[in-house]
Amino acid sequence: NSKVIQTPRYLVKGQGQKAKMRCIPEKGHPVVFWYQQNKNNEFKFLINFQNQEVLQQIDMTEKRFSAECPSNSPCSLEIQSSEAGDSALYLCASRDWDQDTQYFGPGTRLLVL
Amino acid sequence: QQQVRQSSQSLTVWEGETAILNCSYENSAFDYFPWYQQFPGEGPALLIAIRSVSDKKEDGRFTIFFNKREKNLSLHIKDSQPGDSATYFCAARGSSGSWQLIFGSGTQLTVMP
Repeated sequence: NSKVIQTPRYLVKGQGQKAKMRCIPEKGHPVVFWYQQNKNNEFKFLINFQNQEVLQQIDMTEKRFSAECPSNSPCSLEIQSSEAGDSALYLCASRDWDQDTQYFGPGTRLLVL
Repeated sequence: QQQVRQSSQSLTVWEGETAILNCSYENSAFDYFPWYQQFPGEGPALLIAIRSVSDKKEDGRFTIFFNKREKNLSLHIKDSQPGDSATYFCAARGSSGSWQLIFGSGTQLTVMP
């Protein structure tokens, strides 16, 4: 069973507002991923970290999204100016160095009105 | 361009039958294929996974059959139970340097009692 913790579970924002969500990866997992799952069940990779360093991110993430994984603090994903199209389930996953398996949290469901 | 494709959006079987969920992929560099199970309101949970060096992986009632030449795989759920009713996602990951998972769009399985 996954022990990835995500908060809040639900987030409602108006267009143009900031939306911030947090993730605590499984203990000892240095690699963290953020994915967006839309209402059509399409997953989109956003960004991943190895410890505090960004490994890969997509263009969308670079422009309106910001993310960090500081040491000894939860990882976070923030949308600077929310748009209606950002309404989705945001999933955090973590894995250990030499393991294939990514363990997902329950997600933060964002609704942008 | 959909790199991982699940042929059925939905599948209904009777309790006790074997459910077969199909998946195909395009990129021959993919080497790891997990199947995730997702219930409404929850994050995806790993069900079973296979690496491309194998052609079969079994875990209890769940079996993956993998055909590298044809670039397809299937998940067989034996003795399906109503509690197996969920959405199942096939995913793939490339070889080193590309750690994110690429997901299919899911198959919603309904097991009728």
